[in-house]
Amino acid sequence: GQNIDQPTEMTATEGAIVQINCTYQTSGFNGLFWYQQHAGEAPTFLSYNVLDGLEEKGRFSSFLSRSKGYSYLLLKELQMKDSASYLCATMDSNYQLIWGAGTKLIIKP
Amino acid sequence: GAVVSQHPSRVICKSGTSVKIECRSLDFQATTMFWYRQFPKKSLMLMATSNEGSKATYEQGVEKDKFLINHASLTLSTLTVTSAHPEDSSFYICSARDPLAGEIDTQYFGPGTRLTVL
Repeated sequence: GQNIDQPTEMTATEGAIVQINCTYQTSGFNGLFWYQQHAGEAPTFLSYNVLDGLEEKGRFSSFLSRSKGYSYLLLKELQMKDSASYLCATMDSNYQLIWGAGTKLIIKP
Repeated sequence: GAVVSQHPSRVICKSGTSVKIECRSLDFQATTMFWYRQFPKKSLMLMATSNEGSKATYEQGVEKDKFLINHASLTLSTLTVTSAHPEDSSFYICSARDPLAGEIDTQYFGPGTRLTVL
């Protein structure tokens, strides 16, 4: 079957670094997305990985290992505004999105 | 976990025709469903909020006469793209809010429907 797992909730300190993991099992693979969603708002696109490796974009980086079915989102220099839910989603061979349940990230001063 | 399905997953239609997309919550009752449109590698754009038994609330810039939304039951919302044109080609994603979930703002997303208008 198709499945995506990510932690339900994480807590980190302002200024620190946090890594949010995502493991997946899908029928075919056409890339992995990370989205940020603040309460009451639409998800914001953060990254898209289709090849193995690390992609860095400012304070956020995303890593993918297709052989391991694993990705992580790395957030550096955490700010209070980074408190949000982070959604991992993969696109299968039919270009359908399979969504993780989201990781609620709580940033403490 | 909560499951949201969409049908069809992919549709190709001729310009000028209407297309209906269904969004269903399979194991929970959703009083509120959301319809999004996604462009490649872009953020999801909220089109409208659908509330069971009442009219949908459309976001600014979304034509309510073109994108008809009906939320007839607690498990089904439909989006009808009327008189579709090539510029309506996109990936449409719905989500549903489970009122009994621990987090009031938790949304469960559907797999998306890829619409291609020729």
